[in-house]
Amino acid sequence: GNSVTQMEGPVTLSEEAFLTINCTYTATGYPSLFWYVQYPGEGLQLLLKATKADDKGSNKGFEATYRKETTSFHLEKGSVQVSDSAVYFCALCNLRTNAGKSTFGDGTTLTVKP
Amino acid sequence: ETGVTQSPTHLIKTRGQQVTLRCSSQSGHNTVSWYQQALGQGPQFIFQYYREEENGRGNFPPRFSGLQFPNYSSELNVNALELDDSALYLCASSLAAGESTGELFFGEGSRLTVL
Repeated sequence: GNSVTQMEGPVTLSEEAFLTINCTYTATGYPSLFWYVQYPGEGLQLLLKATKADDKGSNKGFEATYRKETTSFHLEKGSVQVSDSAVYFCALCNLRTNAGKSTFGDGTTLTVKP
Repeated sequence: ETGVTQSPTHLIKTRGQQVTLRCSSQSGHNTVSWYQQALGQGPQFIFQYYREEENGRGNFPPRFSGLQFPNYSSELNVNALELDDSALYLCASSLAAGESTGELFFGEGSRLTVL
């Protein structure tokens, strides 16, 4: 079956530091890949997505590239802010084989200190 | 554009009781999925509803059941509650498979505590 593995947290960085959160996946076929973010007390919201190999998703300074050869979708940001403190989830969805079911990693908690 | 709304936001039940959680989907979305998020873990897929019928189910027992209504809103029902059912229950709406790239729009969740 499908699975997503994220780097274990928590991650603590100083403001303006470089961020990388690793994500690898196992899936049949060609899934779409996502990063969702969950701020304290809120539900998940989509941060960025990529739907095919070599696509780069980007939003709010965050980027991730769909690497099929390494089955990875690592999240990066060049300069984090205190407001980026949240839990980040990597996820995949294969609309053709299991329509609508998304598989999530366990999340990585990011804390950014001033 | 109205987002996904869930109710109640918090509730406490005792073992053996039953609970109903409600969700209104984002306007224009015809598909609703439910997820269980235990503390410190990622969301786990419970089931999905499309056109008022179950359209995919995760590894959850039959005491987890649901409904979707003609206006695309949905309910999650859990019977015979167990302590391990304590979690955040997330509703997510989306477009149907043929119209969507799979992204989900989540509500803020219903926090269930079973004592």
